[in-house]
Amino acid sequence: LAKTTQPISMDSYEGQEVNITCSHNNIATNDYITWYQQFPSQGPRFIIQGYKTKVTNEVASLFIPADRKSSTLSLPRVSLSDTAVYYCLVGEVRAPSGGSYIPTFGRGTSLIVHP
Amino acid sequence: DAGVIQSPRHEVTEMGQEVTLRCKPISGHDYLFWYRQTMMRGLELLIYFNNNVPIDDSGMPEDRFSAKMPNASFSTLKIQPSEPRDSAVYFCASSQPGQYGYTFGSGTRLTVV
Repeated sequence: LAKTTQPISMDSYEGQEVNITCSHNNIATNDYITWYQQFPSQGPRFIIQGYKTKVTNEVASLFIPADRKSSTLSLPRVSLSDTAVYYCLVGEVRAPSGGSYIPTFGRGTSLIVHP
Repeated sequence: DAGVIQSPRHEVTEMGQEVTLRCKPISGHDYLFWYRQTMMRGLELLIYFNNNVPIDDSGMPEDRFSAKMPNASFSTLKIQPSEPRDSAVYFCASSQPGQYGYTFGSGTRLTVV
């Protein structure tokens, strides 16, 4: 399984753009990159997923270079409500039937947005 | 859609007692996962099911932990006997074919005193 490395914590201010980078040097051909967001006292919430190049939705953008060994989650104009832990996961979109794919979350990046 | 439903939200029990956590996945989802989250160890996968069959339980910490999925709409995680080090937030998640990502429940905060 591809191991991921991301910063333990980041600080930002309201209105700024935040970029969180995740390293995954051993990513496999069939692996996708998925990001989750977790607020205190809640379960993680899926925010974005991509395979290569750029993906954008109403919440965030995901940039993936050609070698796919890293990815960057971009949050435009953050607000206080974006304070959360962000997890980067690498693996198949769906576990193969009967297989033993284990989605591993790691420790994530704790983002604190200041007024 | 009510999402993944877990019960209870909070559980306080004494050491040695049996604890049962419950999960109702989203209808139509064929994968169900149980996770445990602590400050020390982060979010750990305990076990997951596919079509009600346990696929990988290598994350279950000890024989005191057991999980069942008697049907597609219900799963339980049981700890017997419970110990203070089992105190954590336990999450259930489910996913469906073709879905990106997993949907998590709100978790059960377990405190063993």
